[in-house]
Amino acid sequence: NAGVTQTPKFQVLKTGQSMTLQCAQDMNHNSMYWYRQDPGMGLRLIYYSASEGTTDKGEVPNGYNVSRLNKREFSLRLESAAPSQTSVYFCASSGTSGPTGELFFGEGSRLTVL
Amino acid sequence: GNSVTQMEGPVTLSEEAFLTINCTYTATGYPSLFWYVQYPGEGLQLLLKATKADDKGSNKGFEATYRKETTSFHLEKGSVQVSDSAVYFCALVPAGTASKLTFGTGTRLQVTL
Repeated sequence: NAGVTQTPKFQVLKTGQSMTLQCAQDMNHNSMYWYRQDPGMGLRLIYYSASEGTTDKGEVPNGYNVSRLNKREFSLRLESAAPSQTSVYFCASSGTSGPTGELFFGEGSRLTVL
Repeated sequence: GNSVTQMEGPVTLSEEAFLTINCTYTATGYPSLFWYVQYPGEGLQLLLKATKADDKGSNKGFEATYRKETTSFHLEKGSVQVSDSAVYFCALVPAGTASKLTFGTGTRLQVTL
């Protein structure tokens, strides 16, 4: 029962480097999300994909890009990392388009930008 | 806009103590309300939810009642255990939208023997 799988779990980058966080879900969910978690700020939505082939900006999209590769996979790319992007990143998925609010989360990816 | 305000932590309790974590919200209409829990080193998982006024969500001994008149959704448990130590997040989904949750900042609970 894998659920939502994120890779890598830990990454250290230098300012200006690029990287991609990978996310895959095996629950046949339509919607997928990327959040960042920062101390004292809770979780903030970066981007989401309501269905395969669509993506939309969330609350804090600047400095990020996403790709919904297929129904299972949703990647988050940092083109030129900045120290302000040091955070824990969570991928999540949900199975309905209605307001049930039940998201299934991955274990998180801890990113440090020096 | 929509927002969720939680009491600041950490909350430290002895085992078997009564727990209350306060949560109030700002939203138009009748949002759906949720409590998520994050155990150390893990992602968030849904603890309970309520979708209309006066509903009570419950799970694993935790309860929360949707109070429209006070715009609150406080989390309670009668007797906490060490295994309840985690970070608890209150969240809402505005009425009529897809599952784009707005989270509170989280409240860390530490339960000691």
